[in-house]
Amino acid sequence: AQKVTQAQTEISVVEKEDVTLDCVYETRDTTYYLFWYKQPPSGELVFLIRRNSFDEQNEISGRYSWNFQKSTSSFNFTITASQVVDSAVYFCALSVLRGGSNYKLTFGKGTLLTVNP
Amino acid sequence: DTGVSQDPRHKITKRGQNVTFRCDPISEHNRLYWYRQTLGQGPEFLTYFQNEAQLEKSRLLSDRFSAERPKGSFSTLEIQRTEQGDSAMYLCASSPELFEAFFGQGTRLTVV
Repeated sequence: AQKVTQAQTEISVVEKEDVTLDCVYETRDTTYYLFWYKQPPSGELVFLIRRNSFDEQNEISGRYSWNFQKSTSSFNFTITASQVVDSAVYFCALSVLRGGSNYKLTFGKGTLLTVNP
Repeated sequence: DTGVSQDPRHKITKRGQNVTFRCDPISEHNRLYWYRQTLGQGPEFLTYFQNEAQLEKSRLLSDRFSAERPKGSFSTLEIQRTEQGDSAMYLCASSPELFEAFFGQGTRLTVV
């Protein structure tokens, strides 16, 4: 079975601070995919990034960066110079291939990030 | 708007009533998923369609739940004899041959 743990339930920072959201996953599959989604108050889950288990290269996209470490089963997400608009719930998720085409996601419980002005 | 569309956005119903939700996926996406999200939790998988075929159902999907995707286009999720424990956000997602799922804004169900 797959499991995703986001130990930080809530984080509060002041604008322009850097913040890291932690994600630890468990799976016995050797091929898997990791995701981060953002859920603003409107409720829609917004896709941020996908990583496959064979690609441990870290990625940077603007103020966002992701650190994937298979040795510690972690896929952490850092926001640099946070902004009020970054306030949302952030979910880490894991997917393994089942049934030929089913990439259902297993989500963590999410981290509520509040960025104060 | 070419995103995933869900209707209604909010539904309040009395316990014991039946409710039906609709999801219109992104048109070229052949995969469709339903998830349920309760307060303070991440979404949990309910069921998966590839085109019109329902290929997987979670154990969370009791006999009171049924989902369809006629002709591989829109999908409906029906809950019969609703219970207070069914109160949640019901999220629909679709994906193309690649596997990022694109989510709709969800239907928030409140059973009173």
